[in-house]
Amino acid sequence: KNQVEQSPQSLIILEGKNCTLQCNYTVSPFSNLRWYKQDTGRGPVSLTIMTFSENTKSNGRYTATLDADTKQSSLHITASQLSDSASYICVVRGGSQGNLIFGKGTKLSVKP
Amino acid sequence: DSGVTQTPKHLITATGQRVTLRCSPRSGDLSVYWYQQSLDQGLQFLIQYYNGEERAKGNILERFSAQQFPDLHSELNLSSLELGDSALYFCASSFRDSLNYGYTFGSGTRLTVV
Repeated sequence: KNQVEQSPQSLIILEGKNCTLQCNYTVSPFSNLRWYKQDTGRGPVSLTIMTFSENTKSNGRYTATLDADTKQSSLHITASQLSDSASYICVVRGGSQGNLIFGKGTKLSVKP
Repeated sequence: DSGVTQTPKHLITATGQRVTLRCSPRSGDLSVYWYQQSLDQGLQFLIQYYNGEERAKGNILERFSAQQFPDLHSELNLSSLELGDSALYFCASSFRDSLNYGYTFGSGTRLTVV
């Protein structure tokens, strides 16, 4: 069964600290993996999209990694800011019909 | 502003009623996707339209239907509403019919069924 699992479910960190969010998937065949940031009550906003051949992609203080062999991805946030408080969603495109499969997200809270 | 416009932003209605949610895609985008996000749940794909035609269906209930009009805006119709239909409904749009391209989400419609 094609699934995307994210951990941790929630995370609280202090402003200025770094953190890493995890995404494991069982989607096959794999096409691409995306990370989205979703502020409470708002639509998701794309952070990165990575294909099979890409290991790392950065977007400002956000760096995503992909290991297609182990089917794992991580999103590293550097020098966190209060505005980073949001849910971060991992989405994998793949499967026999090429659908998008969403993880349930990691809820990050950055405290002053 | 993402360029994808959803109306209304909030909707409160009673069980058994019918509502229509509207989505205007980003200028130039031909594909529209509808998603449901229940409390503390992930986004669930409902349905996709491309240039007026239905392209893909997800976990959409028979009580729900959608269409895309010639001006490319889309409407999601929810009927015989139940308490469990309370959720955020998001629309996303993209230029092409392929999910290999990125797409843009709207701000959503929060539906509350009482």
